[in-house]
Amino acid sequence: DSGVTQTPKHLITATGQRVTLRCSPRSGDLSVYWYQQSLDQGLQFLIQYYNGEERAKGNILERFSAQQFPDLHSELNLSSLELGDSALYFCASSPDSWFADTQYFGPGTRLTVL
Amino acid sequence: QKEVEQDPGPLSVPEGAIVSLNCTYSNSAFQYFMWYRQYSRKGPELLMYTYSSGNKEDGRFTAQVDKSSKYISLFIRDSQPSDSATYLCAMSAGTGGFKTIFGAGTRLFVKA
Repeated sequence: DSGVTQTPKHLITATGQRVTLRCSPRSGDLSVYWYQQSLDQGLQFLIQYYNGEERAKGNILERFSAQQFPDLHSELNLSSLELGDSALYFCASSPDSWFADTQYFGPGTRLTVL
Repeated sequence: QKEVEQDPGPLSVPEGAIVSLNCTYSNSAFQYFMWYRQYSRKGPELLMYTYSSGNKEDGRFTAQVDKSSKYISLFIRDSQPSDSATYLCAMSAGTGGFKTIFGAGTRLFVKA
């Protein structure tokens, strides 16, 4: 158990809908990262937050947005969902924003868009 | 061309074999190199981390980085059925606000 929690575990929704994925980082970790994992694209970095502020952006679609709250939990909002958004979404956390060796991944949320 | 290339396998080996997993990359700015293990339906778990070039050993696992060839390797000695998983290489340029780029992952099966 990495100490990172994600809810929900599974999400089934329809095209055009909006969903929110939630992540609670390990106690004491200030950085939260979001990744998308699909069969054809592998693990793709979406976005990073550090202590409430956006720190880095990857291949995140404009339909997607994220935020990190004062209690350091983070939410990833996915809107106008398309079939191709079906994937595993992982959250990871680390104590700071600098070192890649300390990312701890959560169990993921499996999103299915029908 | 992808920034990080990794053969997806699958790679099947008998128990006790030495396993060699590899990745190549194109971005010479990468300085941090990681290997993650991902079991089915689980999140990736960090196995090894190396900064710049050189070797690093941890138990049965050895990570090698050759920056001149833009090539990294993970060796698993005395492989066990419990090593059956997908192994992802990852790398980043570091220095804050970094983006970690992952390989596609290699599926490994260790047969008892």
